[in-house]
Amino acid sequence: GAVVSQHPSWVICKSGTSVKIECRSLDFQATTMFWYRQFPKQSLMLMATSNEGSKATYEQGVEKDKFLINHASLTLSTLTVTSAHPEDSSFYICSARDFSRAVGEQFFGPGTRLTVL
Amino acid sequence: AQSVTQLGSHVSVSEGALVLLRCNYSSSVPPYLFWYVQYPNQGLQLLLKYTTGATLVKGINGFEAEFKKSETSFHLTKPSAHMSDAAEYFCAVSDVSGAGSYQLTFGKGTKLSVIP
Repeated sequence: GAVVSQHPSWVICKSGTSVKIECRSLDFQATTMFWYRQFPKQSLMLMATSNEGSKATYEQGVEKDKFLINHASLTLSTLTVTSAHPEDSSFYICSARDFSRAVGEQFFGPGTRLTVL
Repeated sequence: AQSVTQLGSHVSVSEGALVLLRCNYSSSVPPYLFWYVQYPNQGLQLLLKYTTGATLVKGINGFEAEFKKSETSFHLTKPSAHMSDAAEYFCAVSDVSGAGSYQLTFGKGTKLSVIP
């Protein structure tokens, strides 16, 4: 139980294009999902907190117009990187909270490797 | 504000030796503490967590950690390292404020290498 999937697992795109990453909780309902960014050999940096049916809360320094987050259902959140540039290349990881389980526990997706050429 | 400090970005141990990965935290409220493991190009897997109750927490794959409030520590240990333990390990503290988002703050990670 408590499985989170991400799609795609990797994507290569040209500079200036937009890329959508999906995060799904497969066997539980997630009213809250989180999006992280991880640079090589570094820790996870929280980008935003996504609540179902409401606007995402972005961390300081994260451009909300560049990283569009939609959490339209209890099992799906999407991150769209708009007008991607090489500096957006990174490993993006989502996580989801299962409110039926222990407080504070997040379950992580396998990550999406984005490479912008 | 919360923070997590992991001492040692890289730890090497021999196979069969004790694994000790250090984590210290700062939090203005009683924390929830976690250890996650990450294998290359994968997401994070929960090893163990402390919320309340017993301060010695046992997790998967033979790992355990002890919450020491007086030392603000949550060090991860395993009596005998296995080659499959080679990975990146992250300590994290959860925001348990009234805002209820329960965001995680991660340490910078410790890469564990196991020498045959």
